[in-house]
Amino acid sequence: GAGVSQSPSNKVTEKGKDVELRCDPISGHTALYWYRQSLGQGLEFLIYFQGNSAPDKSGLPSDRFSAERTGGSVSTLTIQRTQQEDSAVYLCASSLAGTNTEAFFGQGTRLTVV
Amino acid sequence: GENVEQHPSTLSVQEGDSAVIKCTYSDSASNYFPWYKQELGKGPQLIIDIRSNVGEKKDQRIAVTLNKTAKHFSLHITETQPEDSAVYFCAASTSGNTPLVFGKGTRLSVIA
Repeated sequence: GAGVSQSPSNKVTEKGKDVELRCDPISGHTALYWYRQSLGQGLEFLIYFQGNSAPDKSGLPSDRFSAERTGGSVSTLTIQRTQQEDSAVYLCASSLAGTNTEAFFGQGTRLTVV
Repeated sequence: GENVEQHPSTLSVQEGDSAVIKCTYSDSASNYFPWYKQELGKGPQLIIDIRSNVGEKKDQRIAVTLNKTAKHFSLHITETQPEDSAVYFCAASTSGNTPLVFGKGTRLSVIA
């Protein structure tokens, strides 16, 4: 089957606009994660979904960021009122069980706020 | 929470030489330590992982060692090849329900 799929691959938006980033995890994977990677930087944790448990939102940088996972599958990361500092690559990953099993990453969405 | 430090940030080696990347972690409860390789324009990909019940694991030219007492783990790549050039990330997780925390990455360049 296919790996983790993210869309769009690239997104350019004007400052102040809202954006939605989509992630299709590997079928059957119960865990899903969002990370942010700024240019030349490491992976910054944003949010983690595990099965039906309440998501771990401890990494979300501000209340402009939110995410949901519908039906335990597809996830959407929403950034409201985008700022230039939001420009980064947003990576989604999924794993079969929890965070101590292999995480498979998508290719990311490159967000540019102008 | 967990904090993972990774060194060096950049590393250049001659083809055929060995490369070593080191990471330290802060939470003694961490028990899972994966290493990811990220090539340009792609998402990170798992290359090897180790759990806290073993001290070393090897897969062909790649090996990882873990010292739980000192709270550090290392990636060793032997007989490096140009295709090993990439950014490598270490990570740590305390359980199946806490986020995977990544180091800031090491950019490895293998010079032919």
